[in-house]
Amino acid sequence: GQNIDQPTEMTATEGAIVQINCTYQTSGFNGLFWYQQHAGEAPTFLSYNVLDGLEEKGRFSSFLSRSKGYSYLLLKELQMKDSASYLCAVLDSNYQLIWGAGTKLIIKP
Amino acid sequence: GAVVSQHPSRVICKSGTSVKIECRSLDFQATTMFWYRQFPKKSLMLMATSNEGSKATYEQGVEKDKFLINHASLTLSTLTVTSAHPEDSSFYICSARYTGGDTEAFFGQGTRLTVV
Repeated sequence: GQNIDQPTEMTATEGAIVQINCTYQTSGFNGLFWYQQHAGEAPTFLSYNVLDGLEEKGRFSSFLSRSKGYSYLLLKELQMKDSASYLCAVLDSNYQLIWGAGTKLIIKP
Repeated sequence: GAVVSQHPSRVICKSGTSVKIECRSLDFQATTMFWYRQFPKKSLMLMATSNEGSKATYEQGVEKDKFLINHASLTLSTLTVTSAHPEDSSFYICSARYTGGDTEAFFGQGTRLTVV
């Protein structure tokens, strides 16, 4: 079966750095996405990785290792507005998005 | 990025009535749109894949007669929750991708349905 694992909840301090991990087992791989979702709102796109390595975009970076079936989202200089759920999703061989359950990130002052 | 507009954002209806939710791609053509349902503190659950000009493909366990999907044009897909019951109360989200698949999914704003 297809499976995506990410921690249910994480807590971090404002101004700090946090890394949210995602491991996956899917039928084929055509890329991995990270989305941010605030409560009551639809997800918004953060990043897309299809090749191994680190993609940096401002305060957010995303890393992918296809051989390990592993990705992480790195958030730097955390702000209170970063409190949200972060969803990892993999595009499988049929170009269907397989979603993780999301990681709720709580930022404390 | 591309814009997907979903309407209404919130709806409250009486048990037994039907509710229609619209999903429009405003600045691109979406041959395929996706309908998701999300329960509190849960991930997105794909309900069906909506294909323009043909019948939708429903995921296992989703009642096609209860959740009617119509993809009448390249920019519009609708989800109708028929004979709604309180257990249908949920957050429904549509998304669309460019033809080709290997791009991000653009999401509508979501619809919070409450059946009383």
